[in-house]
Amino acid sequence: GAVVSQHPSRVICKSGTSVKIECRSLDFQATTMFWYRQFPKQSLMLMATSNEGSKATYEQGVEKDKFLINHASLTLSTLTVTSAHPEDSSFYICSARMRSAPNNEQFFGPGTRLTVL
Amino acid sequence: RKEVEQDPGPFNVPEGATVAFNCTYSNSASQSFFWYRQDCRKEPKLLMSVYSSGNEDGRFTAQLNRASQYISLLIRDSKLSDSATYLCGGGRTALIFGKGTTLSVSS
Repeated sequence: GAVVSQHPSRVICKSGTSVKIECRSLDFQATTMFWYRQFPKQSLMLMATSNEGSKATYEQGVEKDKFLINHASLTLSTLTVTSAHPEDSSFYICSARMRSAPNNEQFFGPGTRLTVL
Repeated sequence: RKEVEQDPGPFNVPEGATVAFNCTYSNSASQSFFWYRQDCRKEPKLLMSVYSSGNEDGRFTAQLNRASQYISLLIRDSKLSDSATYLCGGGRTALIFGKGTTLSVSS
């Protein structure tokens, strides 16, 4: 149980294009999903918290108009990187928290490696 | 001060060694704490939850000290397969992670 998928696993795009990343909880309902970004040899940086049916909460310094988050159902959250630039190249990882998780455990998707040329 | 701090290492140990990692956190409102393991270019995998009463799972023992705001992970009888980066994370809703501690176990 507690499987989280992400799609695509890898994307290469040209500067100025938009990229959509999907995060799905496959065998549980996730009231809350989280989006992180990780640069090489760096920590996982929390970007935003996504709650089903409501607006995402963004961390300080993360532009909400650039990183659009939609959490349309209890099993799907999407992150759209709009007008991507080379500095947006990173490893984007989502995590999901089970509705019934007693200890706030989060389970991570396999990540999406974004390269912007 | 960063919210969660870890010694990045690397810790280089021989097989069979016992190794301990510590992690400190600054947000006293944090309620949940975990250790995750991350292999190179992969996503973090949940290793274990951390409680004040301690949590043991085979060769791994995790402990939370709320008074001092630190979390520890003890690995006994290290295996080659334990080589990875270990992330500690804590928070109320979202988890904030340290940079990770790199462990390299050699034969």
